[in-house]
Amino acid sequence: EVQLVESGGGLVKPGGSLRLSCAGSGFTFSNAWMTWVRQSPGKGLEWVGRIKSKTEGGTTDHAAPVKGRFTISRDDSKNTLYLQMNSLKTEDTALYYCVLYYGHVWGQGTTVTVSS
Amino acid sequence: EILLAQSPGTLSMSPGERGTLSCRASQSVSSNYLAWYQQKPGQAPRLLIYAASNRATGTPDRFSGSGSGTDFTLTISRLEPEDFAVYYCQQYGSSPFTFGPGTKVDIK
Repeated sequence: EVQLVESGGGLVKPGGSLRLSCAGSGFTFSNAWMTWVRQSPGKGLEWVGRIKSKTEGGTTDHAAPVKGRFTISRDDSKNTLYLQMNSLKTEDTALYYCVLYYGHVWGQGTTVTVSS
Repeated sequence: EILLAQSPGTLSMSPGERGTLSCRASQSVSSNYLAWYQQKPGQAPRLLIYAASNRATGTPDRFSGSGSGTDFTLTISRLEPEDFAVYYCQQYGSSPFTFGPGTKVDIK
């Protein structure tokens, strides 16, 4: 069974940093490109970015609102996806989902709250 | 960036009725890479349809997707009680892989 388990969320002050992790299992993690999607409380889905597999170049794309502040990376030896979030803003408060490909399988999410 | 508009915002229906949800893109979606998701309260989204018209594994056949280019449709042939949820479309043909704002299907 394919599983994605996010961790690392929490409460952080504006301007702070946080790193989210996503552990994948039940599939060949190194062959998959992975995505982060977020959902602010009571709002819709927002694509954050993705990272391709190493065989596809391992390149990343980030959405405009997070470009320059967030960085997606992966450690295929640990079957783990990361989201490094710096210079956090109150509008980054959301439930962050780890997603296989563009949307095949979703984790349950980890909550990030940015507040003073 | 491709913008997606979904209509209606809310669709009030009764069980057994047929429902049609629309997703319109601001420019043509490459290779018709358009997906539909269902999200129930407190749950993560679930993939229903990919590449505009292909059912994902486990998607009941009362759900069907159609369309191409800029206009796409999700049809629920006969609404079941478990289908009341929010439905999102997403294009994944060109980065950023944008989502529509969603259509809420609720009970009339």
